[in-house]
Amino acid sequence: EAQVTQNPRYLITVTGKKLTVTCSQNMNHEYMSWYRQDPGLGLRQIYYSMNVEVTDKGDVPEGYKVSRKEKRNFPLILESPSPNQTSLYFCASGAGRASTFGPGTRLTVT
Amino acid sequence: SQKIEQNSEALNIQEGKTATLTCNYTNYSPAYLQWYRQDPGRGPVFLLLIRENEKEKRKERLKVTFDTTLKQSLFHITASQPADSATYLCALPYYGGSQGNLIFGKGTKLSVKP
Repeated sequence: EAQVTQNPRYLITVTGKKLTVTCSQNMNHEYMSWYRQDPGLGLRQIYYSMNVEVTDKGDVPEGYKVSRKEKRNFPLILESPSPNQTSLYFCASGAGRASTFGPGTRLTVT
Repeated sequence: SQKIEQNSEALNIQEGKTATLTCNYTNYSPAYLQWYRQDPGRGPVFLLLIRENEKEKRKERLKVTFDTTLKQSLFHITASQPADSATYLCALPYYGGSQGNLIFGKGTKLSVKP
């Protein structure tokens, strides 16, 4: 089954404790991206990657890092999480002109 | 900068009626526009894409129009059902962006009452 998987699905952490949210797709897509979704603000793009070793900033990249060492994986790294990064995060993978989204990761930073 | 607006935060309609959702954009001319459906706590699901040279596109009970003069897309669900209740998002590619690099509207929450 074609899909995008994210782990963990839920995470509660404390300020400053580094964390990684993994994203994996099995569709051989070149394009992958990360979004965060907040009430009243909608979906905002954090980072995207057009292919292995090619990444670029989206609308709200501050406080986040990404890497793309393999085509299928696109982890999102929060080196020093802060409470304003509490949000619902989605990874997406695209081919042609349609994006397939993962199930989401709900992150709470206290 | 590019701006995308979905006029209504919420839309309530009766089962069997046609739901019409609006997406307006400013400051550029996208090559295409997409519509997604999102259920609470879940990722958006792609529904339809319409290109700038297409006036209308249909898929089962869904119809999308794209008016590049008005800079507007309309999304219609005919014979609506309670199962159609969800938030619907429109999305456009960033100006000059690569494929899949999208900017999303904030969505319209549709509620279909039996």
